[in-house]
Amino acid sequence: GESVGLHLPTLSVQEGDNSIINCAYSNSASDYFIWYKQESGKGPQFIIDIRSNMDKRQGQRVTVLLNKTVKHLSLQIAATQPGDSAVYFCAENRGNNNDMRFGAGTRLTVKP
Amino acid sequence: NAGVMQNPRHLVRRRGQEARLRCSPMKGHSHVYWYRQLPEEGLKFMVYLQKENIIDESGMPKERFSAEFPKEGPSILRIQQVVRGDSAAYFCASSPNQQNYGYTFGSGTRLTVV
Repeated sequence: GESVGLHLPTLSVQEGDNSIINCAYSNSASDYFIWYKQESGKGPQFIIDIRSNMDKRQGQRVTVLLNKTVKHLSLQIAATQPGDSAVYFCAENRGNNNDMRFGAGTRLTVKP
Repeated sequence: NAGVMQNPRHLVRRRGQEARLRCSPMKGHSHVYWYRQLPEEGLKFMVYLQKENIIDESGMPKERFSAEFPKEGPSILRIQQVVRGDSAAYFCASSPNQQNYGYTFGSGTRLTVV
């Protein structure tokens, strides 16, 4: 079935480096995407979102890129900090019934 | 403005007992979604509700699981006759409208079946 997937299950970066987390989706009808951060024992925390009529959106230290041609989504974190260590999920709204569907997640580890 | 409130945070049940998980959406949010998460896995959609209506329950197991969102009070996810395989974290999210903007999660309920 259609699903959201991730290219890399784990990512380890040095503090201060930039991080890129990737996500592939297969449903061309998806029109809204959200990146979430989940720390151990906590609920998913909204980071940034993007609608399908955009290809880039920037927040504080984070940028989301959307490539609808290849159905690819990425999250870029600038100057990664130890506090960024968490599992990151992308989620898509497939346009049916409005619930968000999640990929498996990428664990980001930041080395001091 | 309080966020999405879930209780209890931790719930321990013996096999065969019932589990009731509660979710109070953010103020002004009338759409509620329940997800289940196993350790080291992603969130699996279970059910989407609006006040007094189940909109999509395609992710709910056919037996033992039910959900409601009454006109007054929190949304309830009910699991009857729990089994060890029901042990997981259950998260609730809410949004103010159909477009999902502002889709916000609670801190979850961690259910352990012993």
